[in-house]
Amino acid sequence: EPEVTQTPSHQVTQMGQEVILRCVPISNHLYFYWYRQILGQKVEFLVSFYNNEISEKSEIFDDQFSVERPDGSNFTLKIRSTKLEDSAMYFCASRLTHYSYEQYFGPGTRLTVT
Amino acid sequence: AQRVTQPEKLLSVFKGAPVELKCNYSYSGSPELFWYVQYSRQRLQLLLRHISRESIKGFTADLNKGETSFHLKKPFAQEEDSAMYYCAVHGSSNTGKLIFGQGTTLQVKP
Repeated sequence: EPEVTQTPSHQVTQMGQEVILRCVPISNHLYFYWYRQILGQKVEFLVSFYNNEISEKSEIFDDQFSVERPDGSNFTLKIRSTKLEDSAMYFCASRLTHYSYEQYFGPGTRLTVT
Repeated sequence: AQRVTQPEKLLSVFKGAPVELKCNYSYSGSPELFWYVQYSRQRLQLLLRHISRESIKGFTADLNKGETSFHLKKPFAQEEDSAMYYCAVHGSSNTGKLIFGQGTTLQVKP
């Protein structure tokens, strides 16, 4: 069964550095999402992406964040200048069509900012 | 604002006991509600969707609009049900984003 994959599983970076988190959604899916979960807190929506553009973003998703689907398979989340409070688990998810309801989640990338 | 509340961080029951994981929501309009489950070291996966009214692994959940609740129930808990359970609602925008509750850890003791 196809799965969403994410790399790396764990990323450690220093404050102020740029990080790129990578996701490969399920191949025929059209909708893509990033969520994050700070330790001990709820899973929070960051951004949704459809038809090669952002369809919605949360207040968390400020100018430090960007997303890209550079080659039709990868879906990346870039944080330009990481802060300590960006430390969290980042989940990618994909959905087949507008009419399908299930989101398929990746295993997550744990980002630690020191 | 749309919000999902799961009041219990941890629910511990013995095998064979009934389970009810509570979920309350605030939403204007007709909500679309889900339960997602995360077993140890595995990814989040969909367990139930309210519209389908189906039973998965013995779990059911009924949408109660009067009480704005979507509690997850199972009459007889099994050890393999031990996991993290998240209640979620589709956001009111058309993008399909999910708004999650804080999650409840279900621990089923032998």
